[in-house]
Amino acid sequence: EAQVTQNPRYLITVTGKKLTVTCSQNMNHEYMSWYRQDPGLGLRQIYYSMNVEVTDKGDVPEGYKVSRKEKRNFPLILESPSPNQTSLYFCASSLNPTLSTDTQYFGPGTRLTVL
Amino acid sequence: GQQVMQIPQYQHVQEGEDFTTYCNSSTTLSNIQWYKQRPGGHPVFLIQLVKSGEVKKQKRLTFQFGEAKKNSSLHITATQTTDVGTYFCAEGSARQLTFGSGTQLTVLP
Repeated sequence: EAQVTQNPRYLITVTGKKLTVTCSQNMNHEYMSWYRQDPGLGLRQIYYSMNVEVTDKGDVPEGYKVSRKEKRNFPLILESPSPNQTSLYFCASSLNPTLSTDTQYFGPGTRLTVL
Repeated sequence: GQQVMQIPQYQHVQEGEDFTTYCNSSTTLSNIQWYKQRPGGHPVFLIQLVKSGEVKKQKRLTFQFGEAKKNSSLHITATQTTDVGTYFCAEGSARQLTFGSGTQLTVLP
């Protein structure tokens, strides 16, 4: 089954404790992206990757890191989480990032709480 | 990315009533995509509009792209409880989707 998976689905942590949220897709998609969703703000892009070893900042990259060592995986790293990073996070992937008509497939989401 | 404004933020309707959500931009949009997110779920792609004045239908859902490509709407005829969720518009580019803030639809039985 074609899908985007994220782990963990839920996480409660404390300020400053490094964490990683994994994202994996089995569709051989070139493009992957991370969004955060907050009430009233819709989804905002954190980072994206056009292909292996190619990553770039989205609209809200502060406090986050990513890596793309393999095509299928795109982990999101919070080196020192803070309470303002409490949010619902979605990973997404798409086939061809050069097409403006490309559509994105979203993972199930990771609900993160930073105390 | 450029801003896409979406209204209303919330909408409560009685089952069987119609529902419309609107997206507006101050600049020309290259395309508009619509997504639905069920409560507790993730965004799911519904449709994409690319051409000026384009209208597409999916059963009870009608999607329109304005002539100037600065606005779009999603209209649901005779809502059902299965229509509950948040509807997002988004402009797609080669690098990202820029989302509107969404319209949360509640359908009262």
